[in-house]
Amino acid sequence: NAGVMQNPRHLVRRRGQEARLRCSPMKGHSHVYWYRQLPEEGLKFMVYLQKENIIDESGMPKERFSAEFPKEGPSILRIQQVVRGDSAAYFCASSPNLHRDPNEKLFFGSGTQLSVL
Amino acid sequence: DAKTTQPPSMDCAEGRAANLPCNHSTISGNEYVYWYRQIHSQGPQYIIHGLKNNETNEMASLIITEDRKSSTLILPHATLRDTAVYYCIVRALTGANNLFFGTGTRLTVIP
Repeated sequence: NAGVMQNPRHLVRRRGQEARLRCSPMKGHSHVYWYRQLPEEGLKFMVYLQKENIIDESGMPKERFSAEFPKEGPSILRIQQVVRGDSAAYFCASSPNLHRDPNEKLFFGSGTQLSVL
Repeated sequence: DAKTTQPPSMDCAEGRAANLPCNHSTISGNEYVYWYRQIHSQGPQYIIHGLKNNETNEMASLIITEDRKSSTLILPHATLRDTAVYYCIVRALTGANNLFFGTGTRLTVIP
C-alpha cells in the first residue's frame, strides 16, 4: 500500500511563473490536507479538502493560491505568479476520516520543496 | 483546541531513554493528546496518542498526568535515527479541521 505521494520533490520557478504541486493520497483516503513550512519554522495549515470539495481554506493566502481535489486524479495546490516569499516546503497529508475517529491519524508525504529564483 | 508548551530543544545520549515533556494546562475533557515527529526534510510521522490512560506502542510510551494538564513522550532507547523535531498536539474531534503544529522540541540524540 503506497503512502502519500507528492511530486515533484523539488520545483524551481522564477518570479511570476506558476507552480503546481501534486498530491496523491493513500489508497482509500478521501481527505487531503496541505501544509506549508518555511525554513526553520513549524508547519502551517493551509487547506483541507475532500473529493471535489474545499472544506476549510482558512490558512490559504487570499490571493494567488488555490487548491483542488477532483473526483479523479491527485489533489493540486496551485500558486500563481510566484514570489520569493513562496519558497518553502509544501506537505500534503491524507486520512480516512480524521474527524470521526480519534484513532485516525494524518499520513504525510515527503513534501515538495519550492524554490523561487 | 488547547495550546501546548514544549521546550525548544533537548539532548539525549544514544541508548538512553528520551523523555519529552509537554504542557497542556488548558486541555478540556474531550481533547486528545497526539505526538508526531519530523525528521529533517521529511514529512511528519505519527507516533502515539491518548486521552486519559497511559499508552504504549512499538515506537514510544505516552504518560499523561492524572489531571491531564501535562504529558511525557518516552522513547525508551533513543537511537541516532530518533533525532527529529517532536510535536505535541491537543485536539478534540469537534475541534479545528486540522492538526496545529507548534514549534515542537528539537531532540538531538548524541552518540
